Amino acid sequence: AQSVAQPEDQVNVAEGNPLTVKCTYSVSGNPYLFWYVQYPNRGLQFLLKYITGDNLVKGSYGFEAEFNKSQTSFHLKKPSALVSDSALYFCAVRPSTSGGSYIPTFGRGTSLIVHP
Amino acid sequence: GAVVSQHPSRVICKSGTSVKIECRSLDFQATTMFWYRQFPKQSLMLMATSNEGSKATYEQGVEKDKFLINHASLTLSTLTVTSAHPEDSSFYICSASGRPPENSPLHFGNGTRLTVT
Repeated sequence: AQSVAQPEDQVNVAEGNPLTVKCTYSVSGNPYLFWYVQYPNRGLQFLLKYITGDNLVKGSYGFEAEFNKSQTSFHLKKPSALVSDSALYFCAVRPSTSGGSYIPTFGRGTSLIVHP
Repeated sequence: GAVVSQHPSRVICKSGTSVKIECRSLDFQATTMFWYRQFPKQSLMLMATSNEGSKATYEQGVEKDKFLINHASLTLSTLTVTSAHPEDSSFYICSASGRPPENSPLHFGNGTRLTVT
């Protein structure tokens, strides 16, 4: 069975400071990892994914994530936070082995609050 | 990029009535669609997985006769909440999977806020 853990319910950061939103995972086989962002009363938007290759993945809106196989982590980062980055962030994993629908597993979400 | 259109965005209905939510993939063929329910400040709860042309697979604890899912084409899936009750009030979100299914991101609709009075 696969699982995703986002250990922080909320992350607070000052505008202009770097931010990190943590994610660890457990999955059989190769992990396919994703980050999504959700603004209030909206669906989720895809930010970035790791499939294979370079451990540092760059995505939308200046976000990046670092895949660490030994620590089974996929933390989301941004060098300089903006107030507009305040939102709910979800980490997700999809199984690489055949399972029909490749049902993704989501973390519980982390609320990012960027203070002016 | 891939777009998923979900309608309506907001609906208020009386207890006992049924509500249909539509989810369309506008520029790609979605062989699989997922329906989620989200409670305030909580994560997504997968309700069912819908594959085009076949019956939906419901998660444990989700009543299939209450939450009817139809995936009649590669671009349209519907969720009908039958005989709605106030406890069904929630935020419902659909998503569609691109290809290849295992490593493609999900494309989400903007959600439907259902309020049952």
